[in-house]
Amino acid sequence: KNEVEQSPQNLTAQEGEFITINCSYSVGISALHWLQQHPGGGIVSLFMLSSGKKKHGRLIATINIQEKHSSLHITASHPRDSAVYICAALSQYSGGGADGLTFGKGTHLIIQP
Amino acid sequence: NAGVTQTPKFQVLKTGQSMTLQCAQDMNHNSMYWYRQDPGMGLRLIYYSASEGTTDKGEVPNGYNVSRLNKREFSLRLESAAPSQTSVYFCASRLDLGTDTQYFGPGTRLTVL
Repeated sequence: KNEVEQSPQNLTAQEGEFITINCSYSVGISALHWLQQHPGGGIVSLFMLSSGKKKHGRLIATINIQEKHSSLHITASHPRDSAVYICAALSQYSGGGADGLTFGKGTHLIIQP
Repeated sequence: NAGVTQTPKFQVLKTGQSMTLQCAQDMNHNSMYWYRQDPGMGLRLIYYSASEGTTDKGEVPNGYNVSRLNKREFSLRLESAAPSQTSVYFCASRLDLGTDTQYFGPGTRLTVL
């Protein structure tokens, strides 16, 4: 079973700071997802990536397959970025049901004005 | 497009009672999923349906049943609720297993007394 670890668990920063959230996984994957869970509870998919880097607005996601590590960066952070960020690894070998998607516990981010 | 809808949003049950959580999507997706989210844990897959007419167990299926009523609808039933089933339940869908974006419903917060 793939183990997905996120760090930090909690992060408080000031508006404008550059934010980095890390995700590491234990076995080979075919893709990694980053999700955002709003304070109200809704979950939105941000990225799916299998190599390199993807960028959407102020959000950047990178992945290093050899090191089994991914990062989510937020540039010029804003209070509206406050949310829980979740990474989920899609295993190369689906053996636990569905498409083998294993979720991290999430990083709770608070951006203070 | 409503996306993925879930009913109800909140529910309180007594131990032993039964209930059905409803989920519907209007994106013509083939794959649908039920997850539960508990404090300090990542999302865990309860059941999934890769396509209309098929359902399979996920990581934590005990105490639950599902029905893929048609392509749009995927319901989750608790036959005899237990306090351990107190959780937030999310329905999700995607076009097919393993493809890009997974879309989540708003969640159902269930408390079993």
